[in-house]
Amino acid sequence: GAVVSQHPSWVICKSGTSVKIECRSLDFQATTMFWYRQFPKQSLMLMATSNEGSKATYEQGVEKDKFLINHASLTLSTLTVTSAHPEDSSFYICSARGEREEYEQYFGPGTRLTVT
Amino acid sequence: GQNIDQPTEMTATEGAIVQINCTYQTSGFNGLFWYQQHAGEAPTFLSYNVLDGLEEKGRFSSFLSRSKGYSYLLLKELQMKDSASYLCAVVAGDYKLSFGAGTTVTVRA
Repeated sequence: GAVVSQHPSWVICKSGTSVKIECRSLDFQATTMFWYRQFPKQSLMLMATSNEGSKATYEQGVEKDKFLINHASLTLSTLTVTSAHPEDSSFYICSARGEREEYEQYFGPGTRLTVT
Repeated sequence: GQNIDQPTEMTATEGAIVQINCTYQTSGFNGLFWYQQHAGEAPTFLSYNVLDGLEEKGRFSSFLSRSKGYSYLLLKELQMKDSASYLCAVVAGDYKLSFGAGTTVTVRA
């Protein structure tokens, strides 16, 4: 149980285009989902927290107009990287918090984004 | 914010024991997680401590001292597959996790 999927697992896009990444909780309802970014040999940095049906809360320094987050249902959150630039190339990981576990988060497999 | 410190790298021999320390400074502490992450993969859950003491789970054990702001992850009987990055993460106040920079463990034959 508590499986989180992400799609796509990797994507290459051209500079200036937009990319959408999906995060799904497969066997539980996720009241809260989190989006992280991880650069090579660095730790996970929280980008934003999204709660179903409400606006995402962004961490300081993360541009909300560039990283659009939609949490339309209890099993799906999407992250859209708009007008992507090479510096946005990173490993994006989502996690989901279930209804029962107070603090544990279940991580998706990650999406490798490369912007050329 | 939270300050979370852990060593950058550790190397050990197959079959040995390695202890990864993590120190933190935070307010509203709600627990500490240890995750294992292989390169290019998502973190996988190893342990969660919220009370002082040692939690043992097979070859892996985790210890917490809230008064000292200190935790360690103990890996016993090291195997080659244990080569990975180990992340210490603190939950403070709300439900957000703050991660340390990670400790890369290399297991040598």
